[in-house]
Amino acid sequence: RKEVEQDPGPFNVPEGATVAFNCTYSNSASQSFFWYRQDCRKEPKLLMSVYSSGNEDGRFTAQLNRASQYISLLIRDSKLSDSATYLCVVWNYGGSQGNLIFGKGTKLSVKP
Amino acid sequence: SAVISQKPSRDICQRGTSLTIQCQVDSQVTMMFWYRQQPGQSLTLIATANQGSEATYESGFVIDKFPISRPNLTFSTLTVSNMSPEDSSIYLCSVIRRDGTDTQYFGPGTRLTVL
Repeated sequence: RKEVEQDPGPFNVPEGATVAFNCTYSNSASQSFFWYRQDCRKEPKLLMSVYSSGNEDGRFTAQLNRASQYISLLIRDSKLSDSATYLCVVWNYGGSQGNLIFGKGTKLSVKP
Repeated sequence: SAVISQKPSRDICQRGTSLTIQCQVDSQVTMMFWYRQQPGQSLTLIATANQGSEATYESGFVIDKFPISRPNLTFSTLTVSNMSPEDSSIYLCSVIRRDGTDTQYFGPGTRLTVL
């Protein structure tokens, strides 16, 4: 089983739609969780951290279910500029330094 | 956010040659990493660059193939040695800054094609 698994998509949605991405992780001891965004031919950039209580940043809502080892990202009122690949990322503490484990990403395409 | 630059941004190399990629950060950082992102794949950590000492390599990566230097807190190099077409990938430098947030930032990447 891969350490971080995501639906690769692509998700093709119209502007204004609500879209949800899911992610599962295999290491129950994982400590921190993030969603990164990667535009085509660009580096990944942190979108938001994911907290156990759930957190919201504008149109974006992230949730974590530690019992199910499941992370989600909800995008409301999607914009053309939301088109990108969304990477689910888990941070595992390993020895003296941590290690970010990346999912393969879910590709989102928002159409006019 | 940290300003991270990488050189070269891209290169096309012949099999058997080596390429050194440079990473420069605009401010002191606590940790520097090198990642690889192969086509259609997730990012994979190659190693953690340690200042003034040998890098810490992940499983599947060795110093002879990917020698790394980090002479100071803001600069690191990754060499891809004796390249083969399988080394064609994007190589990304990544850092955690001394800003208390533990946010990990990525450089723009170096796109390597090995013929």
